Amino acid sequence: DTGVSQNPRHKITKRGQNVTFRCDPISEHNRLYWYRQTLGQGPEFLTYFQNEAQLEKSRLLSDRFSAERPKGSFSTLEIQRTEQGDSAMYLCASSSTGGNEQFFGPGTRLTVL
Amino acid sequence: AQRVTQPEKLLSVFKGAPVELKCNYSYSGSPELFWYVQYSRQRLQLLLRHISRESIKGFTADLNKGETSFHLKKPFAQEEDSAMYYCALSNAGGTSYGKLTFGQGTILTVHP
Repeated sequence: DTGVSQNPRHKITKRGQNVTFRCDPISEHNRLYWYRQTLGQGPEFLTYFQNEAQLEKSRLLSDRFSAERPKGSFSTLEIQRTEQGDSAMYLCASSSTGGNEQFFGPGTRLTVL
Repeated sequence: AQRVTQPEKLLSVFKGAPVELKCNYSYSGSPELFWYVQYSRQRLQLLLRHISRESIKGFTADLNKGETSFHLKKPFAQEEDSAMYYCALSNAGGTSYGKLTFGQGTILTVHP
Protein backbone atom coordinates (compact mmCIF):
# COMPACT_ATOMS: atom_id res chain seq x y z
CA ASP A 1 0.00 0.00 0.00
CA THR A 2 1.60 3.25 -1.11
CA GLY A 3 -0.94 5.51 0.55
CA VAL A 4 -0.68 7.48 3.76
CA SER A 5 -0.31 5.26 6.79
CA GLN A 6 -0.91 6.02 10.45
CA ASN A 7 0.02 4.14 13.58
CA PRO A 8 -1.43 3.08 15.85
CA ARG A 9 -4.95 2.81 14.48
CA HIS A 10 -6.44 2.84 17.94
CA LYS A 11 -5.13 4.10 21.25
CA ILE A 12 -6.79 3.89 24.63
CA THR A 13 -5.11 5.76 27.42
CA LYS A 14 -5.82 7.08 30.87
CA ARG A 15 -6.20 10.74 31.58
CA GLY A 16 -2.87 12.35 32.29
CA GLN A 17 -0.80 9.99 30.17
CA ASN A 18 1.23 11.02 27.14
CA VAL A 19 0.54 9.57 23.71
CA THR A 20 2.36 9.76 20.40
CA PHE A 21 0.99 9.06 16.94
CA ARG A 22 2.93 8.52 13.76
CA CYS A 23 2.09 9.41 10.17
CA ASP A 24 3.94 8.19 7.09
CA PRO A 25 2.94 10.27 4.07
CA ILE A 26 3.13 9.29 0.43
CA SER A 27 6.87 9.25 -0.21
CA GLU A 28 7.14 12.05 -2.75
CA HIS A 29 4.78 14.40 -0.91
CA ASN A 30 6.46 17.27 0.89
CA ARG A 31 3.32 18.72 2.47
CA LEU A 32 1.85 17.07 5.54
CA TYR A 33 -1.25 18.02 7.53
CA TRP A 34 -2.76 16.92 10.81
CA TYR A 35 -6.49 17.19 11.46
CA ARG A 36 -8.69 16.23 14.37
CA GLN A 37 -12.21 14.93 14.01
CA THR A 38 -14.69 14.60 16.82
CA LEU A 39 -17.99 12.76 16.64
CA GLY A 40 -20.47 14.39 14.31
CA GLN A 41 -18.03 17.01 13.08
CA GLY A 42 -15.89 17.43 10.03
CA PRO A 43 -12.11 17.29 10.34
CA GLU A 44 -10.51 20.39 11.88
CA PHE A 45 -7.06 21.58 10.89
CA LEU A 46 -4.34 21.25 13.52
CA THR A 47 -1.01 21.87 11.83
CA TYR A 48 0.87 21.87 8.54
CA PHE A 49 4.41 20.98 7.49
CA GLN A 50 6.25 21.88 4.33
CA ASN A 51 9.13 19.39 4.35
CA GLU A 52 10.49 19.59 7.92
CA ALA A 53 9.22 23.11 8.60
CA GLN A 54 6.06 23.53 10.64
CA LEU A 55 4.50 26.51 8.90
CA GLU A 56 1.13 26.80 10.57
CA LYS A 57 -0.49 25.76 13.82
CA SER A 58 -4.15 26.06 14.70
CA ARG A 59 -5.34 27.65 17.92
CA LEU A 60 -6.73 24.17 18.63
CA LEU A 61 -3.17 23.00 19.16
CA SER A 62 -2.68 23.78 22.82
CA ASP A 63 0.67 23.71 24.60
CA ARG A 64 0.08 20.05 25.37
CA PHE A 65 0.27 19.21 21.68
CA SER A 66 3.47 19.07 19.70
CA ALA A 67 4.16 17.86 16.20
CA GLU A 68 7.40 17.15 14.43
CA ARG A 69 8.61 16.10 11.04
CA PRO A 70 12.34 15.82 11.66
CA LYS A 71 13.58 14.71 8.27
CA GLY A 72 10.74 15.88 6.13
CA SER A 73 9.37 12.37 5.85
CA PHE A 74 7.26 10.84 8.63
CA SER A 75 5.63 13.00 11.28
CA THR A 76 4.70 12.49 14.91
CA LEU A 77 1.98 14.13 16.95
CA GLU A 78 2.39 14.00 20.71
CA ILE A 79 -0.23 14.87 23.29
CA GLN A 80 1.00 15.36 26.82
CA ARG A 81 -1.16 15.00 29.92
CA THR A 82 -4.13 13.80 27.92
CA GLU A 83 -7.62 14.96 28.83
CA GLN A 84 -10.95 13.35 28.06
CA GLY A 85 -11.64 16.16 25.60
CA ASP A 86 -8.71 14.94 23.52
CA SER A 87 -10.70 11.84 22.56
CA ALA A 88 -11.08 12.06 18.79
CA MET A 89 -9.94 10.69 15.47
CA TYR A 90 -6.59 12.16 14.46
CA LEU A 91 -6.13 12.28 10.71
CA CYS A 92 -2.98 12.83 8.70
CA ALA A 93 -2.94 13.91 5.07
CA SER A 94 -0.23 14.64 2.55
CA SER A 95 0.03 16.41 -0.78
CA SER A 96 2.66 17.48 -3.25
CA THR A 97 3.78 21.09 -3.68
CA GLY A 98 1.49 22.68 -6.21
CA GLY A 99 -0.98 19.85 -5.91
CA ASN A 100 -4.16 20.65 -4.07
CA GLU A 101 -5.45 17.15 -3.53
CA GLN A 102 -4.80 15.88 -0.05
CA PHE A 103 -4.52 12.15 0.49
CA PHE A 104 -5.72 11.04 3.88
CA GLY A 105 -4.57 8.26 6.12
CA PRO A 106 -6.96 5.93 7.96
CA GLY A 107 -6.64 7.92 11.17
CA THR A 108 -5.75 7.12 14.76
CA ARG A 109 -8.69 6.90 17.11
CA LEU A 110 -7.78 8.11 20.59
CA THR A 111 -9.90 7.32 23.60
CA VAL A 112 -8.98 8.96 26.88
CA LEU A 113 -10.54 7.29 29.90
CA ALA B 1 -12.54 33.63 9.05
CA GLN B 2 -13.42 30.93 6.60
CA ARG B 3 -16.41 28.71 7.23
CA VAL B 4 -18.20 25.90 5.44
CA THR B 5 -21.80 25.05 6.19
CA GLN B 6 -23.60 21.87 5.23
CA PRO B 7 -27.14 22.38 6.45
CA GLU B 8 -28.25 18.75 6.19
CA LYS B 9 -26.69 16.17 8.48
CA LEU B 10 -28.79 13.39 6.95
CA LEU B 11 -30.21 12.98 3.45
CA SER B 12 -32.20 9.98 2.26
CA VAL B 13 -33.30 9.31 -1.28
CA PHE B 14 -34.42 6.33 -3.30
CA LYS B 15 -32.32 4.75 -6.00
CA GLY B 16 -32.75 6.59 -9.28
CA ALA B 17 -33.88 9.83 -7.67
CA PRO B 18 -31.94 13.06 -8.04
CA VAL B 19 -29.82 14.12 -5.12
CA GLU B 20 -28.39 17.47 -4.08
CA LEU B 21 -26.09 17.96 -1.12
CA LYS B 22 -25.90 21.59 -0.11
CA CYS B 23 -22.76 23.49 0.78
CA ASN B 24 -22.37 27.17 1.54
CA TYR B 25 -19.16 28.90 2.41
CA SER B 26 -17.86 32.20 3.70
CA TYR B 27 -14.42 33.37 2.70
CA SER B 28 -13.08 36.79 1.86
CA GLY B 29 -10.44 35.70 -0.64
CA SER B 30 -10.37 33.42 -3.63
CA PRO B 31 -11.34 29.96 -2.42
CA GLU B 32 -10.92 26.54 -3.84
CA LEU B 33 -13.81 24.23 -3.09
CA PHE B 34 -13.77 20.46 -2.81
CA TRP B 35 -16.08 17.59 -2.07
CA TYR B 36 -14.57 14.71 -0.10
CA VAL B 37 -16.34 11.40 0.44
CA GLN B 38 -15.94 8.69 3.03
CA TYR B 39 -17.48 5.32 2.27
CA SER B 40 -18.12 2.85 5.05
CA ARG B 41 -14.88 1.61 6.61
CA GLN B 42 -12.77 3.54 4.11
CA ARG B 43 -10.60 6.61 4.43
CA LEU B 44 -11.55 10.09 3.39
CA GLN B 45 -10.95 10.66 -0.31
CA LEU B 46 -11.36 13.45 -2.81
CA LEU B 47 -14.48 13.24 -4.95
CA LEU B 48 -14.15 16.40 -6.99
CA ARG B 49 -12.84 19.97 -6.97
CA HIS B 50 -14.34 23.03 -8.54
CA ILE B 51 -11.31 24.01 -10.62
CA SER B 52 -11.37 20.78 -12.61
CA ARG B 53 -15.04 21.18 -13.54
CA GLU B 54 -15.35 17.46 -14.08
CA SER B 55 -17.97 14.87 -13.32
CA ILE B 56 -16.92 12.05 -11.04
CA LYS B 57 -19.16 9.01 -10.54
CA GLY B 58 -21.95 11.07 -12.08
CA PHE B 59 -21.58 13.86 -9.52
CA THR B 60 -21.10 17.49 -10.47
CA ALA B 61 -20.70 20.66 -8.45
CA ASP B 62 -20.74 24.25 -9.62
CA LEU B 63 -19.16 27.08 -7.71
CA ASN B 64 -21.61 29.96 -7.40
CA LYS B 65 -19.67 32.91 -6.07
CA GLY B 66 -22.75 35.12 -5.92
CA GLU B 67 -24.55 32.71 -3.61
CA THR B 68 -21.28 31.43 -2.07
CA SER B 69 -22.44 27.88 -2.70
CA PHE B 70 -20.93 24.68 -4.02
CA HIS B 71 -23.77 22.19 -4.06
CA LEU B 72 -23.12 18.60 -5.11
CA LYS B 73 -25.60 17.06 -7.52
CA LYS B 74 -26.31 13.77 -9.17
CA PRO B 75 -29.31 13.18 -11.41
CA PHE B 76 -29.80 9.50 -10.58
CA ALA B 77 -28.58 8.27 -7.21
CA GLN B 78 -27.21 4.75 -6.81
CA GLU B 79 -27.04 2.61 -3.68
CA GLU B 80 -23.25 2.70 -3.82
CA ASP B 81 -23.40 6.47 -3.38
CA SER B 82 -24.38 5.98 0.25
CA ALA B 83 -21.58 7.60 2.24
CA MET B 84 -20.55 10.62 4.29
CA TYR B 85 -19.89 13.67 2.15
CA TYR B 86 -17.82 16.65 3.25
CA CYS B 87 -17.58 19.98 1.54
CA ALA B 88 -14.22 21.67 2.09
CA LEU B 89 -12.57 24.98 1.33
CA SER B 90 -8.95 25.93 0.83
CA ASN B 91 -7.47 29.32 0.20
CA ALA B 92 -5.76 29.62 -3.14
CA GLY B 93 -2.42 31.00 -2.04
CA GLY B 94 -0.29 32.25 0.82
CA THR B 95 1.34 30.27 3.59
CA SER B 96 -1.95 28.58 4.40
CA TYR B 97 -2.16 27.13 0.95
CA GLY B 98 -3.74 23.74 1.09
CA LYS B 99 -5.19 23.92 4.59
CA LEU B 100 -8.74 22.61 4.38
CA THR B 101 -11.75 23.87 6.27
CA PHE B 102 -14.46 21.23 6.33
CA GLY B 103 -18.19 21.37 6.79
CA GLN B 104 -19.87 19.09 9.29
CA GLY B 105 -20.71 16.52 6.65
CA THR B 106 -23.88 15.04 5.21
CA ILE B 107 -24.70 11.35 5.49
CA LEU B 108 -26.32 10.28 2.25
CA THR B 109 -28.38 7.12 2.26
CA VAL B 110 -29.71 5.76 -1.01
CA HIS B 111 -32.49 3.24 -0.50
CA PRO B 112 -33.16 0.44 -2.99
